Amino acid sequence: DGGITQSPKYLFRKEGQNVTLSCEQNLNHDAMYWYRQDPGQGLRLIYYSQIVNDFQKGDIAEGYSVSREKKESFPLTVTSAQKNPTAFYLCASSKSFSGDNSPLHFGNGTRLTVT
Amino acid sequence: AQSVSQHNHHVILSEAASLELGCNYSYGGTVNLFWYVQYPGQHLQLLLKYFSGDPLVKGIKGFEAEFIKSKFSFNLRKPSVQWSDTAEYFCAVNALFLNKFYFGSGTKLNVKP
Repeated sequence: DGGITQSPKYLFRKEGQNVTLSCEQNLNHDAMYWYRQDPGQGLRLIYYSQIVNDFQKGDIAEGYSVSREKKESFPLTVTSAQKNPTAFYLCASSKSFSGDNSPLHFGNGTRLTVT
Repeated sequence: AQSVSQHNHHVILSEAASLELGCNYSYGGTVNLFWYVQYPGQHLQLLLKYFSGDPLVKGIKGFEAEFIKSKFSFNLRKPSVQWSDTAEYFCAVNALFLNKFYFGSGTKLNVKP
């Protein structure tokens, strides 16, 4: 079955360390997204990518970085510059970024705890 | 700034009660509208979507939603809830001109058996 795989499910890091969250999809989707979910705040967009080798900042990109070297993969790095990194991170994809009314498909998420 | 508002943060119902969850958005252009559901321990799943046509859309598991353009609303309804509907529900708007998905803050539904 096609889907989005996020790993690991739980991640613990010390303050000051960078950490990379993995996101892989086998849906052949062009567009991929990273959201952060905090209690009572819904989902906020960190970065998105419309196509390979291209990505754009979302609403809360500060302290994060991404790459999109392959269509299937969109890893997110949480850097030490992110002031409040402890959160639940969701990766999503859609068939295309515009024009065809594509819904988002989500992975199971990674819960990051930084102490 | 564009926004999606879900006014009910936590709803508690008994089984067989009717459900209506409110969703309002602020974007004035063409939009696609979605409701997603997150069951405990599971990933976000698409419940239903509205793109165009009949403003009353039906989704999975007996859910439906009505798009009222004049009120910028897309409320979710179910005539009779079940214990298995216990989950968190998110309204989402894809503002087509901006090509961005905006999510509401979510509503936690707790259905008592």
